[in-house]
Amino acid sequence: DIQLTQSPSFLSASVGDRITITCRASQGISSYLAWYQQKPGKAPKLLIYAASTLQSGVPSRFSGSGSGTEFTLTISSLQPEDFATYYCQQLNSYPITFGPGTKVDIK
Amino acid sequence: QVQLQESGPGLVKPSETQSLTCAVSGYSISSGYYWGWIRQPPGKGLEWIGSIDHSGSTYYNPSLKSRVTISVDTSKNQFSLRVNSVTAADTAVYYCARQRGSLDVAEYWGQGTLVTVSS
Repeated sequence: DIQLTQSPSFLSASVGDRITITCRASQGISSYLAWYQQKPGKAPKLLIYAASTLQSGVPSRFSGSGSGTEFTLTISSLQPEDFATYYCQQLNSYPITFGPGTKVDIK
Repeated sequence: QVQLQESGPGLVKPSETQSLTCAVSGYSISSGYYWGWIRQPPGKGLEWIGSIDHSGSTYYNPSLKSRVTISVDTSKNQFSLRVNSVTAADTAVYYCARQRGSLDVAEYWGQGTLVTVSS
C-alpha cells in the first residue's frame, strides 16, 4: 500500500493568513493526488484533483501543486469557513489511501 | 443534483454482519461511474473500503476484502455494503460516495451513518 504522510498535523492560523500543507507519498504517484476538506460532523468535500486541478465551485484561494512524492495544498488567504481538517488521497494504485489529516484551527 | 443517503442499523453486535444501503437520487447508477464506501472511526482518519460499478465490477481494500461485500441493485438505484464478523474496530461513520472511476476521486458523498459495534 502507498502510505501518505501530512505535515503539519495541526496548524493554528489567523484569518487572512497564507497556509501550506504538505503531503508526502511513500512512492511516486505521478499527479494522482486529491485534497479534501472536512468539517466536524460533515462528509469530506473534494477540493483539488490531479494534484492541481480545482474542483468546480471551489474558491480560487485554494491551490495545489506537486508531483511524484511531494505535494502541497495552499490557501492564499484563510477565511473563517476554511477552518477544518484537510486530507490528501492517492489514486495511483489500489488500495486508495488517505493521509492522516491536517487540522487547521483558529489562532 | 446527485444525492446519496446511507441507511442501516446503528448498532451491531460483535461477530455479527453489518449491512448498509446507499440510496442514490438525481442520477441513475446504470448510467456509469463507480460507487464506493469509505469509513472513518470516531476521531480518526478516512479509510477506503471499496467500490462497484453498475455491472457489478468491484474493487476492495485488501485489508478488509475477506470480510466485505459490495453489491448493486440498479432497479432500486442503490448499492450496499456488508461487513462480516464485525469487531469494535469496525465502529465508524460509514460514507457512501460516487467516484469518477474505479481509481478516482469521490466527488459526491452521503452524509454518513455511525455504526457502533457493541454487545
